[in-house]
Amino acid sequence: DADVTQTPRNRITKTGKRIMLECSQTKGHDRMYWYRQDPGLGLRLIYYSFDVKDINKGEISDGYSVSRQAQAKFSLSLESAIPNQTALYFCATAGTGSTDTQYFGPGTRLTVL
Amino acid sequence: GENVEQHPSTLSVQEGDSAVIKCTYSDSASNYFPWYKQELGKGPQLIIDIRSNVGEKKDQRIAVTLNKTAKHFSLHITETQPEDSAVYFCAASNPHAGGTSYGKLTFGQGTILTVHP
Repeated sequence: DADVTQTPRNRITKTGKRIMLECSQTKGHDRMYWYRQDPGLGLRLIYYSFDVKDINKGEISDGYSVSRQAQAKFSLSLESAIPNQTALYFCATAGTGSTDTQYFGPGTRLTVL
Repeated sequence: GENVEQHPSTLSVQEGDSAVIKCTYSDSASNYFPWYKQELGKGPQLIIDIRSNVGEKKDQRIAVTLNKTAKHFSLHITETQPEDSAVYFCAASNPHAGGTSYGKLTFGQGTILTVHP
C-alpha cells in the first residue's frame, strides 16, 4: 500500500461548489503539506501543518482552508470553487530531522467548470 | 525568503546522451538540495539529494553538483534512457532555519525532459 494516499484522484465540479480533498499517510510523519501544481509554475505551497494543533498558511492560501483531523490525516477544502483553481493538487509529508525531504502522494486532478 | 530558478524549462535529448538541469538559489543559508522526478500521472519522487557539506554526489547514472559560492546546483543524467522522460524539480531549504522558512522546501519551476529512442 502507498505511504501517502489522496482521494479523490480526479474531480470535476462547478463554480461555487464546496470541495474537499483528503490526504492520509502511514509514514508516521508529523509534517504535512498541500501544494498546487500548474504548468510552468512548479509546486506552490498552499498550507502546511507540523502537528495536529499547528496550521500555517503557505504562499497561495487565499480561497483554501485546511483541517488536520489526526496526525495521519490532512484535508484541503475549497469553500467556493472557481475556475482558476483548476489544477493538480499534491499532499506531502515529512519527518523531523536533519533534512526537509518530503514524500508526495499521487495527486488529485481538479477541474472547476 | 528563498527563491529557486530552474533551467531549462524543456530539454530534449537522444537516448544515450547526457542531460543537465541547472538551478540557482538566493538564500545563502540554504543547505539542503533535493531533486524530484515526476512521471506522468504520479506525484514527485525524490531521486537524489545533497547537503552543503559536499560538492558532488552520485547514484548510478545520476549525479548532483553544488557550488555554494555561486549558489547553484545541477542534476546530471548520463546514458539517458526513454524511462528518464519526466518532469524534474529542484528544491532548496535550510532544515535548521527559524521563522517562516522552517520546515519548507522552495521548488524550482520544473524541467520537462524528453528522451527520444
